[in-house]
Amino acid sequence: EAGVVQSPRYKIIEKKQPVAFWCNPISGHNTLYWYLQNLGQGPELLIRYENEEAVDDSQLPKDRFSAERLKGVDSTLKIQPAELGDSAVYLCASTPPGSNEQFFGPGTRLTVL
Amino acid sequence: GEDVEQSLFLSVREGDSSVINCTYTDSSSTYLYWYKQEPGAGLQLLTYIFSNMDMKQDQRLTVLLNKKDKHLSLRIADTQTGDSAIYFCAESAQGNTPLVFGKGTRLSVIA
Repeated sequence: EAGVVQSPRYKIIEKKQPVAFWCNPISGHNTLYWYLQNLGQGPELLIRYENEEAVDDSQLPKDRFSAERLKGVDSTLKIQPAELGDSAVYLCASTPPGSNEQFFGPGTRLTVL
Repeated sequence: GEDVEQSLFLSVREGDSSVINCTYTDSSSTYLYWYKQEPGAGLQLLTYIFSNMDMKQDQRLTVLLNKKDKHLSLRIADTQTGDSAIYFCAESAQGNTPLVFGKGTRLSVIA
């Protein structure tokens, strides 16, 4: 069974540029999460989806961050414009129905110059 | 708010046991997890324990939970160099609610 797929794995951009990250969860997993992991820290939730509905986006900085999961499968996280402080690893995770296990993708490492 | 604390570093000799400790503040935590993160990789779920359990053993891994003190530990028996990684403690109140992570404990295994 394929795991959570994320792309790109690495991204380097200049500040004020837009950037997008893509996540394909494990097949059949209805819950999808985007986490932000700063250097030396544990991951912190940005947004959680149940199917196509964003059920927890209280930690998402909505002035510059947006996310979508239009068909309840894969998801895109966007930052526009990026700031220096956005440099971090962006992790996607998914959970199947009725489970408490979150499966993480390898993450996208963003560097903003 | 919810908080999860871990010591930042642990160094052990190959073949010894490692014990990584974690404390949490949320008394409504239902699930407590241990994740492993190797350099440049995502998080790998090692094991988890329900809050109504005291202990869970899975091969070389033993999880102990003291719910009264809100203390969780992960013991790795016969630690190998391949166990070198960052270990994260995490908690959640319900099955699919977001995880609250500690900052991670970097385990270094000396050959």
